[in-house]
Amino acid sequence: AQSVSQHNHHVILSEAASLELGCNYSYGGTVNLFWYVQYPGQHLQLLLKYFSGDPLVKGIKGFEAEFIKSKFSFNLRKPSVQWSDTAEYFCAVNAGSSNTGKLIFGQGTTLQVKP
Amino acid sequence: SAVISQKPSRDICQRGTSLTIQCQVDSQVTMMFWYRQQPGQSLTLIATANQGSEATYESGFVIDKFPISRPNLTFSTLTVSNMSPEDSSIYLCSAAPPAGLNGYTFGSGTRLTVV
Repeated sequence: AQSVSQHNHHVILSEAASLELGCNYSYGGTVNLFWYVQYPGQHLQLLLKYFSGDPLVKGIKGFEAEFIKSKFSFNLRKPSVQWSDTAEYFCAVNAGSSNTGKLIFGQGTTLQVKP
Repeated sequence: SAVISQKPSRDICQRGTSLTIQCQVDSQVTMMFWYRQQPGQSLTLIATANQGSEATYESGFVIDKFPISRPNLTFSTLTVSNMSPEDSSIYLCSAAPPAGLNGYTFGSGTRLTVV
């Protein structure tokens, strides 16, 4: 069965620090990969996604993620975080070559950015 | 991306009663999904709501407890039956767009408290 693992459960950073959140998945075939963000009291929003092509994908708000197939990883990065980035971040995987089917979510990472 | 209207946004219910949650999508979507997000945890898929056929339930979830309807390509309901305090959670619906569009869209969630 597919599974998604996020290594960092709670991350605390100061503003302007660099961010990298780890995400690994277990599935040997074609995957579609997503990062979602959930700001306090708000619903899930898509940060970025990878379907195919350039393994380095850029999303909204300065976030990017790199798909490394050999490592089954899709880590999220941001060079300089802001206080407004404080939120819960979820990595998700959908197995298959088409954009349909269920999403499997990681456990989530709580990011706290101190001003 | 599709926009999902989910209601109610929150409810407090007595144990032993049932609550039906509705999701309306502003465009036709192939598949809809129902998730549960327990306090401080990630999203767990309850079931896939298929139009014209029975929902497909994940391990640990059964139709008698969480009956789902999908009468057309823009609407779905989830009922939480015979509720107990352990059912207190946030319930979210999600829609899978046609291939090639942006990632899955989520409703704003229903915060359920069972007393």
